[in-house]
Amino acid sequence: AQKVTQAQTEISVVEKEDVTLDCVYETRDTTYYLFWYKQPPSGELVFLIRRNSFDEQNEISGRYSWNFQKSTSSFNFTITASQVVDSAVYFCALIDNDYKLSFGAGTTVTVRA
Amino acid sequence: GAVVSQHPSWVICKSGTSVKIECRSLDFQATTMFWYRQFPKQSLMLMATSNEGSKATYEQGVEKDKFLINHASLTLSTLTVTSAHPEDSSFYICSARETGDNTGELFFGEGSRLTVL
Repeated sequence: AQKVTQAQTEISVVEKEDVTLDCVYETRDTTYYLFWYKQPPSGELVFLIRRNSFDEQNEISGRYSWNFQKSTSSFNFTITASQVVDSAVYFCALIDNDYKLSFGAGTTVTVRA
Repeated sequence: GAVVSQHPSWVICKSGTSVKIECRSLDFQATTMFWYRQFPKQSLMLMATSNEGSKATYEQGVEKDKFLINHASLTLSTLTVTSAHPEDSSFYICSARETGDNTGELFFGEGSRLTVL
């Protein structure tokens, strides 16, 4: 069984503030993949990052950064200097050997001008 | 990058009718596709795994006679919601895994919003 927990249901920040989204996962597999997706109000899923279980290097892409820590089974996502366009629901997800993607409950981020 | 197209994007139907949603991989072959359902303000829940040339595998609690899945070619999977009722109103989204891929990469369609009156 696998499980993805996003404890934060909603986060509201003022523009230019940083925001960190937490993601904790559970899996028995030694090989797995972790993902973050953004879902704007229009509904489509926007792929942000995929990380395999053997690559614990943190990653930075523009204003986005990810911190992967296997020791705590966490894959947190930080948006630096947030903008109104960052307002969306963000999902953390895990894929196992069956290629079944399990999503967390999602965190709704609202960035106010 | 690879593209997955879903059609229709929006559909409104009367209760009791059947609705078919298509999921196509446009520039790659997909032996395996996945169907998800998302109710308002909730997460995406996996409904079934669609395998080309064989029967779909349904997740626990998903009625296979209600949600018919056909994956007749390497680029097309269809989800038919039979005898739709208002409680079937939801956002349905598919994803596709390229044949032979083991990198964990999945490509999502744009989603189909079903409203049953």
